[in-house]
Amino acid sequence: AQKITQTQPGMFVQEKEAVTLDCTYDTSDPSYGLFWYKQPSSGEMIFLIYQGSYDQQNATEGRYSLNFQKARKSANLVISASQLGDSAMYFCAMREGGQKLVFGTGTRLLVSP
Amino acid sequence: DTGVSQDPRHKITKRGQNVTFRCDPISEHNRLYWYRQTLGQGPEFLTYFQNEAQLEKSRLLSDRFSAERPKGSFSTLEIQRTEQGDSAMYLCASSLQLAVITDTQYFGPGTRLTVL
Repeated sequence: AQKITQTQPGMFVQEKEAVTLDCTYDTSDPSYGLFWYKQPSSGEMIFLIYQGSYDQQNATEGRYSLNFQKARKSANLVISASQLGDSAMYFCAMREGGQKLVFGTGTRLLVSP
Repeated sequence: DTGVSQDPRHKITKRGQNVTFRCDPISEHNRLYWYRQTLGQGPEFLTYFQNEAQLEKSRLLSDRFSAERPKGSFSTLEIQRTEQGDSAMYLCASSLQLAVITDTQYFGPGTRLTVL
């Protein structure tokens, strides 16, 4: 079974608008962490934001926020005030107990002027 | 604070040849990870080290693959007798152990392998 599901292969947004990238996850472990990474065309995975399963508040990092709905097992990334440089692949990942990250298939975001 | 570096960035080889990749983690990071990413997919875990000890290996890591981290600093990933199916981006990441769930993995730029 897929541990991480990203149902949007591609998303388009206009510059300065907000966009939400969806991520749902599957785990029976009560302790887990959720991560979002950005991968530009250069290939490097850039860490954006982290949410722990026991965190009471939704995580925020600058223009990035994570809409964490534990009961629905979703951890959507919200990017506010999109910039042209936000165009990239975005990956949701989960760690549950062990050390490895399990990634989704990603969403390609294109920001237009 | 320099990030994770990987060398080479690109490697083209013929089927059957051996290749070796190097990863230099962020200094003072005690954990180092290798992932493989094929086109259109997210990265898949291969193996990880805590200091010099290799603590977990994925079933993806066939016996043609070997990874080392001899002094707990840089790591090498060797693929013997390469096959066309080995063509992928090989990503290295490092982290500083703080707590099991929360330590963040920082990735290098990757090595793109093409097997002809």
